[in-house]
Amino acid sequence: EPEVTQTPSHQVTQMGQEVILRCVPISNHLYFYWYRQILGQKVEFLVSFYNNEISEKSEIFDDQFSVERPDGSNFTLKIRSTKLEDSAMYFCASTGTDNEKLFFGSGTQLSVL
Amino acid sequence: SQKIEQNSEALNIQEGKTATLTCNYTNYSPAYLQWYRQDPGRGPVFLLLIRENEKEKRKERLKVTFDTTLKQSLFHITASQPADSATYLCALRVASGGSYIPTFGRGTSLIVHP
Repeated sequence: EPEVTQTPSHQVTQMGQEVILRCVPISNHLYFYWYRQILGQKVEFLVSFYNNEISEKSEIFDDQFSVERPDGSNFTLKIRSTKLEDSAMYFCASTGTDNEKLFFGSGTQLSVL
Repeated sequence: SQKIEQNSEALNIQEGKTATLTCNYTNYSPAYLQWYRQDPGRGPVFLLLIRENEKEKRKERLKVTFDTTLKQSLFHITASQPADSATYLCALRVASGGSYIPTFGRGTSLIVHP
């Protein structure tokens, strides 16, 4: 069964450093999402992406964040200058043409020291 | 303000019993509601979707109800098994600008004891 793949599974970085989280969505999916989950808290929406542009973003997704779909398969989330409070599990998700059921990756656990 | 509320206390039940989880929402008018399962350290996995014009949906041992008047969905697992132990999330499709954003509740932890 096709699945969303995220790399790396764990990322440790120093505060102020840039990180890039990578995702390969399901190949025929059209809508892409990034969510994050701070330990013990709910899954929070960051950004949605469709037709090669951001369709919606939350208040969390400030100027430090950016997304790209550099080729036909990868979907990346960049945090330009990480802060301690960026420590969380980051999930990529994609949906097909119905834009209903979300298929999530296994996540990248980001730890900012 | 808009809220999606799920019981924050874990639900403990015995194997074989029916587990019932609740999702309440306020100040939303969702076109549909979804339920996901999340295991520790893993991404949510889609289980069921129920639309606003549907009262009930079933899939194997799972049943979901949706009452748009009460603004509530109930999620049932019949003949529960220890393998059903996980956190169950409800999600609403919420209008935001010109798009719809899947928005999650905090989830309820289910523990099924053998």
